[in-house]
Amino acid sequence: RKEVEQDPGPFNVPEGATVAFNCTYSNSASQSFFWYRQDCRKEPKLLMSVYSSGNEDGRFTAQLNRASQYISLLIRDSKLSDSATYLCVVNVRNYGQNFVFGPGTRLSVLP
Amino acid sequence: DADVTQTPRNRITKTGKRIMLECSQTKGHDRMYWYRQDPGLGLRLIYYSFDVKDINKGEISDGYSVSRQAQAKFSLSLESAIPNQTALYFCATSELTGDGYTFGSGTRLTVV
Repeated sequence: RKEVEQDPGPFNVPEGATVAFNCTYSNSASQSFFWYRQDCRKEPKLLMSVYSSGNEDGRFTAQLNRASQYISLLIRDSKLSDSATYLCVVNVRNYGQNFVFGPGTRLSVLP
Repeated sequence: DADVTQTPRNRITKTGKRIMLECSQTKGHDRMYWYRQDPGLGLRLIYYSFDVKDINKGEISDGYSVSRQAQAKFSLSLESAIPNQTALYFCATSELTGDGYTFGSGTRLTVV
């Protein structure tokens, strides 16, 4: 089993739709969780951290389920500008590699 | 100026040539990383360094070497480039706590 897995998509949704991505991780010692956004041919950029209690930033909501070892990202009222690849990132503090990236889920928001 | 600067942005080189990719940062972070990205495979770690005297192999270090010349500089070398090293290469930095990365803009390398 891969350390971090994501549905590759693509997710094609109309503007205004709500879309959710899931990410599963295999190492129960994982401590920190993040969502990154990557536009085509650009560098990944931090979208938001994921806290145990869940957190929200505008139209974006991130949640963590430690028991089932998954995190989720919910995007409400999708905009054309949300089209990108969303990377799930897991930080394992007692693991030499430190950060493990998922392969990403591609989102296309259609007019 | 960008916080993390990679040079060159694009490079085409021939099989067997030695090539160096450079990365410099103004974030003041101790930790620096080199990743490569291939379509469908996501980001894979090549090497990482937690301070100037620390170098560690990542998931796919074969065929690569690195040098941490200073806290702000971390270079990646391909000693003898081969076509399957054609990829997008990213340098990144993070704080001591490891919370979140800052990436450079990437180097698109083509080996012919």
